[in-house]
Amino acid sequence: NAGVMQNPRHLVRRRGQEARLRCSPMKGHSHVYWYRQLPEEGLKFMVYLQKENIIDESGMPKERFSAEFPKEGPSILRIQQVVRGDSAAYFCASSPPTVGGGETQYFGPGTRLLVL
Amino acid sequence: AQSVAQPEDQVNVAEGNPLTVKCTYSVSGNPYLFWYVQYPNRGLQFLLKYITGDNLVKGSYGFEAEFNKSQTSFHLKKPSALVSDSALYFCAVRDDTGRRALTFGSGTRLQVQP
Repeated sequence: NAGVMQNPRHLVRRRGQEARLRCSPMKGHSHVYWYRQLPEEGLKFMVYLQKENIIDESGMPKERFSAEFPKEGPSILRIQQVVRGDSAAYFCASSPPTVGGGETQYFGPGTRLLVL
Repeated sequence: AQSVAQPEDQVNVAEGNPLTVKCTYSVSGNPYLFWYVQYPNRGLQFLLKYITGDNLVKGSYGFEAEFNKSQTSFHLKKPSALVSDSALYFCAVRDDTGRRALTFGSGTRLQVQP
């Protein structure tokens, strides 16, 4: 039973390029979350999606960042025109459909983005 | 607004001794509390959670945590530490209002010495 899968595990981009990060949730999970971890810091929530819907994007920067979770295929976090400050580890988590709340989010291994 | 405080950046303990990693929280409404562990260059692994019921929660790898509502705390404990427990530990909270975003503490590095 595969866990949350993320690819690539490492990504190097030059300033101004685009970064695409992919996340495949655990089998049976329909909810996906993206978090960002800066060096030596905790994780910060970015966005919460269900299939074809963005439910909560309160943690997403207003510009250059977007996320989607299409009906088929993985969830994508897209960063346009990357800057050095985007260098971080980006973690995806997934959870099963709601059953009274309190469901656990299971995390993937992360994508470490380095912007040169 | 939700917040989590992990007051210790690092905790050092000798192998075989009990360990405690502290966490306090602030939420409006009732809290859902979680502990995760992160090994170097890895994702977060779920250890345990408190949703409702018994204040003492038992989780993976012999860890447990005690929910204390009056002190708004959820400290992680283990009776006998192992060297392999050395890692970064994160406490997280969300409330029961329906918003699912987890708020994480800044993490506590646990170092278990042989």
